[in-house]
Order: sequence, then C-alpha cells, then structure tokens
Amino acid sequence: LAKTTQPISMDSYEGQEVNITCSHNNIATNDYITWYQQFPSQGPRFIIQGYKTKVTNEVASLFIPADRKSSTLSLPRVSLSDTAVYYCLVVPGANNLFFGTGTRLTVIP
Amino acid sequence: NAGVTQTPKFQVLKTGQSMTLQCAQDMNHNSMYWYRQDPGMGLRLIYYSASEGTTDKGEVPNGYNVSRLNKREFSLRLESAAPSQTSVYFCASRVLGGQGSTEAFFGQGTRLTVV
Repeated sequence: LAKTTQPISMDSYEGQEVNITCSHNNIATNDYITWYQQFPSQGPRFIIQGYKTKVTNEVASLFIPADRKSSTLSLPRVSLSDTAVYYCLVVPGANNLFFGTGTRLTVIP
Repeated sequence: NAGVTQTPKFQVLKTGQSMTLQCAQDMNHNSMYWYRQDPGMGLRLIYYSASEGTTDKGEVPNGYNVSRLNKREFSLRLESAAPSQTSVYFCASRVLGGQGSTEAFFGQGTRLTVV
C-alpha cells in the first residue's frame, strides 16, 4: 500500500497560487492519485484525480512527474473560502481508501 | 438526490451502551466505507465493503462491527461503547475502482460522544 507524505500545514495570502506537494514513493502501476478537500464539520469532497502528467479542472490543477513518486496540487488565486484540509490519496485498483493526516491550508486576508 | 445519508447526526452514549450508526446511499454504488475522525486528525478507515455481502477491516476495526444489509445500506455497530470511541464518524460510497478510479461521496457525519 503506497503511503503518502504531505506537509502538515501551510499559510497563504489571498490571491496567491498555492502548491501542495505529496510524496508517494511506493506508488504501484495501477494506482491513481486523488485529492480531497475537507471543511470543518463536513465530510471530504473530491477535488481532482490523475494518473500522470497534468490534469486541470475548474477548481485545481494536478501535476504528476513521469516517475509518479510525487504529485502537486495547485490552487490558483486562493480566497478565504479555500481554507480547509487537503488530503492526497493513492487509490489502488483494490477497494480500500486510506486518508492520511492531510495539509491544513490557512488563507490569510 | 440525497447522496449519502447518515443517521443520527448527533449521539451521546454512556460507557458500555451499544448503538448502530446507519448509512444509506442512493447512487447505486457498490463500495461503501466507514471512517472515524478525531479532533484535529485525519480520517481513519474502520471497515469497508466492496459489495453486498462482503466486508473488510480497515486501519482501526477493533470495537466495531459492520453489516452490509443490501447495496444501499452499510451500518456500523458499537457493541460496548468506550470514551476512546468519541469521534465524528463518516460514511462514504463510490463505484468500485479498478482501472480508472472514481471519486468517493461522503455523508455529513455522526458526532458521537461517549461519557
């Protein structure tokens, strides 16, 4: 099972781009990389998923290098409402979904 | 479109009491999950179910039992509650992964306090 490592916390000013990097050295061939966002008192919400290279949606971009041993979630021009915990998951073809401790992002006015 | 519904939303138990947390999804997902989240911590997987009739242990299964009643419902039972089980419990569901993994949908959580 691929373990993930990400920073415990990050601070950013409003309007800046935020990049959160996740390390997953033991990722397997069939694994996908998925990011979730969690606000206080709510369940996590899916943000983005990728296998390799770059994926972009209306919320974020996900950059995955060729060796897939890390990934970077990029949030463009963050606002106060982006203050949340962000989880990086390596999702195997098998069924389990393990969340780590996540990165607590605080956006400062 | 309700998604994932958990009941109850709040519960206070005395040590040694039992209770069942209910979870139902209306998205025809085959996989369902139970997590617990302690204050300031990440989510830890308790049990999961790949399909009706199957269940598997996650990271922290001790003190819990589960039942996959049918495709829609996945319940979590505490037979003898302990203060260490005070937590917020989340249920989730998704279509089974495989090649092309898919997102999980979460309920709003059950806040359980054991005194």
